[in-house]
Amino acid sequence: DAKTTQPNSMESNEEEPVHLPCNHSTISGTDYIHWYRQLPSQGPEYVIHGLTSNVNNRMASLAIAEDRKSSTLILHRATLRDAAVYYCILSGAGNTGKLIFGQGTTLQVKP
Amino acid sequence: EAGVAQSPRYKIIEKRQSVAFWCNPISGHATLYWYQQILGQGPKLLIQFQNNGVVDDSQLPKDRFSAERLKGVDSTLKIQPAKLEDSAVYLCASSLVRLAGWSEQFFGPGTRLTVL
Repeated sequence: DAKTTQPNSMESNEEEPVHLPCNHSTISGTDYIHWYRQLPSQGPEYVIHGLTSNVNNRMASLAIAEDRKSSTLILHRATLRDAAVYYCILSGAGNTGKLIFGQGTTLQVKP
Repeated sequence: EAGVAQSPRYKIIEKRQSVAFWCNPISGHATLYWYQQILGQGPKLLIQFQNNGVVDDSQLPKDRFSAERLKGVDSTLKIQPAKLEDSAVYLCASSLVRLAGWSEQFFGPGTRLTVL
């Protein structure tokens, strides 16, 4: 399974955009890029996923580099509720669907 | 739509005792996962079911952990006997269908186990 690298922690101010980076230099052509987040004392929740093109949904945007070796999760206006651990995960077509979580990035949002 | 339900939410036991966790996935979800999350780490998959068959249990310590999913709906995860290092949050997740390498997983709130 391809590995991802994320910063351990990041800080943001409330109502400002946040860019959470993820490196995945060993990604294969069929690997999807998933982002999940885990709020304190809760189970992880799906944020967004993509394959090659940039993606937008109501929660966030996902910007994928042209060579697919890195991606960035963008929260357009951080709120206090966005303080969580954000996980960047790869899974391929041959994968059973399981998610292999790394350490993730702990995002702190300051009022 | 009801989410993934888990019980109990908290459990404290002594080492060498047995414990069981229960999970009720979202209705219609064929795939069910159990994860173990040790404090400060990301969740680690223990076992994955597709309906009532096991797809992946490569990370399940089979000498003490067991899991079943009767009738392809509810699932139970058991630890017998528990060790101190089993202290963790046990998360259950379910997904509808896996399409070409992607399926959104929905997680329950987890069961926090403390082994003394």
